[in-house]
Amino acid sequence: AQKITQTQPGMFVQEKEAVTLDCTYDTSDPSYGLFWYKQPSSGEMIFLIYQGSYDQQNATEGRYSLNFQKARKSANLVISASQLGDSAMYFCAMREAILNQAGTALIFGKGTTLSVSS
Amino acid sequence: DAGVIQSPRHEVTEMGQEVTLRCKPISGHNSLFWYRQTMMRGLELLIYFNNNVPIDDSGMPEDRFSAKMPNASFSTLKIQPSEPRDSAVYFCASSFMFGEEGNTIYFGEGSWLTVV
Repeated sequence: AQKITQTQPGMFVQEKEAVTLDCTYDTSDPSYGLFWYKQPSSGEMIFLIYQGSYDQQNATEGRYSLNFQKARKSANLVISASQLGDSAMYFCAMREAILNQAGTALIFGKGTTLSVSS
Repeated sequence: DAGVIQSPRHEVTEMGQEVTLRCKPISGHNSLFWYRQTMMRGLELLIYFNNNVPIDDSGMPEDRFSAKMPNASFSTLKIQPSEPRDSAVYFCASSFMFGEEGNTIYFGEGSWLTVV
């Protein structure tokens, strides 16, 4: 079974609009972390935002926020006021057993391609 | 502050040749990860190390792939012999092992490998 599911292969949004990229996850571990990365066409992986399973509040980083719904096992990324430079592939990822010394590596979803138009 | 450094950035090699990819993690980080990215399979974990010790190598495709981390500042991923299906982007990433500081995993720029 997939651990990380991103159901939207592609999303289209106009500049200045907000967009939500969906991510659901599957784990039985009580301590885990959820990550979002951006991969522009140049290929690098850029860390955007992190949410820990014990965090009480949703994470925010500038225009990025993570809508964390633990009971539904979803961790959607919200980008407010989209910009042309936001056009990229976006990956949701999870790391389990984060409180253990030998926690797991990141497991990635298949990604969502976001296209922002003017 | 230098990020994760990978070399070579691009390599084109002939089938059957040995390929060695190199990675220098961020200073002070004690976890290191090797990932492979292809269109078909997405981002796959190959192997990861904690304190230079391999923790999970279940993603290494077959015996042709090997990875080492002789010290905290250097790791290699070797493919011998290489095959066209090994063509991919290989990412190295590093982080602190656990705790709040382990919540950010930084990636290198990737090594783009083409095997012809």
